[in-house]
Parts: sequence; C-alpha cells; structure tokens
Amino acid sequence: AQSVAQPEDQVNVAEGNPLTVKCTYSVSGNPYLFWYVQYPNRGLQFLLKYITGDNLVKGSYGFEAEFNKSQTSFHLKKPSALVSDSALYFCAVRDIPMDSSYKLIFGSGTRLLVRP
Amino acid sequence: SQTIHQWPATLVQPVGSPLSLECTVEGTSNPNLYWYRQAAGRGLQLLFYSVGIGQISSEVPQNLSASRPQDRQFILSSKKLLLSDSGFYLCAWSSISYNSPLHFGNGTRLTVT
Repeated sequence: AQSVAQPEDQVNVAEGNPLTVKCTYSVSGNPYLFWYVQYPNRGLQFLLKYITGDNLVKGSYGFEAEFNKSQTSFHLKKPSALVSDSALYFCAVRDIPMDSSYKLIFGSGTRLLVRP
Repeated sequence: SQTIHQWPATLVQPVGSPLSLECTVEGTSNPNLYWYRQAAGRGLQLLFYSVGIGQISSEVPQNLSASRPQDRQFILSSKKLLLSDSGFYLCAWSSISYNSPLHFGNGTRLTVT
C-alpha cells in the first residue's frame, strides 16, 4: 500500500537560514510526488511536483525539493527562510500505475516555524 | 483559468441535523473531484472521489455520502450529523492526468454541537 511519512511534527528555523522539511514514501509502482503548503483556515496550495527527470525540482516561492530514489525520500528545501514561510507543509504521493483514481495520499504534515 | 468554489466557509450544526456542502469547479471539464477531511489541523483523510457524473467511490465507511449531479459539481451530505463529523472539509479537483496536482478549495469548517 502507498504511504507517506513526515517524521517531524515541527521544524524551527531562524529567518535567513536554510530549511529542510523531510518526507519519505512507500509505493508499489512509480511515485509521483507533491508538496503543498497550508496557511491557517485555508485550503492547500500546490508548491511543486516530481514526475520524472532531474532529481532537484524547483517550485513556487523559492522552494525546491530533492528526490532520492534509493532513500525513497523527497525533502523540501529553501536556501533562506522567511518569517512568512511559517505554515503547515504536506508531502503527498500518487502511486503510478497502481492506482487509477489519481488520488493523492498525504503525509501527516509538518509545521514550519520561522523565527525573526 | 480554473477556479474552485466551496461553501459555506463555516458551519455550526446540531447533532442529528442534516448536512450539505457544495463544491463547484469552473474553467475545466470532466475533472476528477475529491472530498478530504482534515481533523485537528493535521493530516488529510480522503473521504470520496469521483471520476465522472454519478460515479462516486468511498474510501472509508462513515456517516457521510457524496454525489456528483453535474460534471463540475460535487456535494457532501449527511442525513444526521454526529459529533465526530466535526472538522475541516476540503474539496479538490484534478485533471485526468497523473502529472496533475490536486487543486483545493478554501475549505469548510464544520462544528457539530
């Protein structure tokens, strides 16, 4: 069965420092991986995706993610954190071609707190 | 461009009352549609998805039901709400493509009292 793990409930980082939010996955087929951000009382906003190709994917708001097949990981990164990056981050996976519903399975979320 | 509308934004309902949450998508045709529930500001649980009009798949047994009366309309319902139905309900759509991300509405905060 497909699953996603976000091992950290919360990540704390100082503004201007690099940040990493961790994600590991388990799928039967080929993984399509996604990162989303959620601000309070709002829906999820799509940040970036990995489908195939380069292992380093660039997305919105300066975020990027590194796909590592051997470690089954897809960590979200940003070189320099902003206070406005403080939010809840979700990793998600779509299991190809094992699941024809196109649904996404989400991790439990990681709260990012960037202190001034 | 495509947009997704979800309403109401907040809802307070007594136990035992009915529920109807509506979601509509504009600017695309034949989307896949999804209802997720988020409890306690954390993980998302997929409740229902639909790949076409009248086609509903349920992911978990529960007190809720879903319907898709039109191509771009997705409705979440209950005949009698339970306290445990409280949560943040999110509607989402995607194109019929493995490359397509899900696009979410702004959610409905449901409190059952």
